[in-house]
Amino acid sequence: NAGVTQTPKFQVLKTGQSMTLQCAQDMNHNSMYWYRQDPGMGLRLIYYSASEGTTDKGEVPNGYNVSRLNKREFSLRLESAAPSQTSVYFCASSEARSNYGYTFGSGTRLTVV
Amino acid sequence: QKEVEQNSGPLSVPEGAIASLNCTYSDRGSQSFFWYRQYSGKSPELIMFIYSNGDKEDGRFTAQLNKASQYVSLLIRDSQPSDSATYLCAVLNTGGFKTIFGAGTRLFVKA
Repeated sequence: NAGVTQTPKFQVLKTGQSMTLQCAQDMNHNSMYWYRQDPGMGLRLIYYSASEGTTDKGEVPNGYNVSRLNKREFSLRLESAAPSQTSVYFCASSEARSNYGYTFGSGTRLTVV
Repeated sequence: QKEVEQNSGPLSVPEGAIASLNCTYSDRGSQSFFWYRQYSGKSPELIMFIYSNGDKEDGRFTAQLNKASQYVSLLIRDSQPSDSATYLCAVLNTGGFKTIFGAGTRLFVKA
């Protein structure tokens, strides 16, 4: 009963490097989300995928791209990391239209130096 | 004005007391409201959701919703030290696909 699995758990990048955060869910959820969490600012939506084959921008999409690979997997890519992207990243999933809330992954703590 | 506002705290209550956490939101068309608990260094965990005006009880937790005042609250009865965490209020926006989170209220329950 894994729920939502994120990899890696920790990562340190140098400015300008790229990386992909992986997320997979085994609950047959239609919708998936990427949030970042910074101290004092709460969770902010980066991108979401309402259903397989669709993706949309959230509040803070600049500097990120996403891919909904299939119903289970939703990845987040940083093409050229910047120190402002230092944060904790959470992937989440929900049934369609999110009426029952989200299940979150364990998070990725990313530091860009 | 932030879309979802919470007092950052910390809110400190003695063990056995009632903890009251409050949240206001700006999108009058919002239909679904959530409370998540987040322990330090962990991911948020859903504890309650509410759709209709009034109270919803689940064990020691009661969620209260007043759509006219755009106000959501969470009451924790018989607070325990294990309830010490950050509580996030979240609101599903009118379109139904984006959940907006407040910055959270830190709760300390003193033994």
